[in-house]
Amino acid sequence: DQQVKQNSPSLSVQEGRISILNCDYTNSMFDYFLWYKKYPAEGPTFLISISSIKDKNEDGRFTVFLNKSAKHLSLHIVPSQPGDSAVYFCAASAGDGNQFYFGTGTSLTVIP
Amino acid sequence: KAGVTQTPRYLIKTRGQQVTLSCSPISGHRSVSWYQQTPGQGLQFLFEYFSETQRNKGNFPGRFSGRQFSNSRSEMNVSTLELGDSALYLCASSLREGGNTIYFGEGSWLTVV
Repeated sequence: DQQVKQNSPSLSVQEGRISILNCDYTNSMFDYFLWYKKYPAEGPTFLISISSIKDKNEDGRFTVFLNKSAKHLSLHIVPSQPGDSAVYFCAASAGDGNQFYFGTGTSLTVIP
Repeated sequence: KAGVTQTPRYLIKTRGQQVTLSCSPISGHRSVSWYQQTPGQGLQFLFEYFSETQRNKGNFPGRFSGRQFSNSRSEMNVSTLELGDSALYLCASSLREGGNTIYFGEGSWLTVV
């Protein structure tokens, strides 16, 4: 039972444009969400987080939006750069410990 | 500040053998969790330790076990290895026991032949 879903396995974007990565979840108890970037043969690198008391969080070129009623979150990268090409994972936790549920990832390719 | 360190990075084992993987968390972090990543799958939660106590356990068979030491370092063990255990095993550490960002190590690549 996949509680966190990333329905787009891949996404291609031109350099300088906006990249939007989407994530849906089913468990209404989730209250803390994370985004990670992962290169092949490396561990995931933390990008940005958001708690359920907020609907938006920004960090430089990265912004995460949370729509609790739709159980949906998205990561916006503006402007996209070739170095952003990687697999992006979203993750969610219900706050009991640090057990996170991960999506299956979206592979982002930024075309120069 | 050093990140999460995992050893070994790569290993090959034979079916039926056992394996132990090690993880040193970020200094000051007391929570350590383990995840398995297989091709085509997202990261699957194995277990989490905080102050030497297992707090949560994922849906994995009893062949998968772990422990945490008083210095917060952690080990996970897989006994009676099966071909399907071939995966990237990731360790993550966090400052506190809940509702926190977790930071991953580089992972240990296990191949079972």
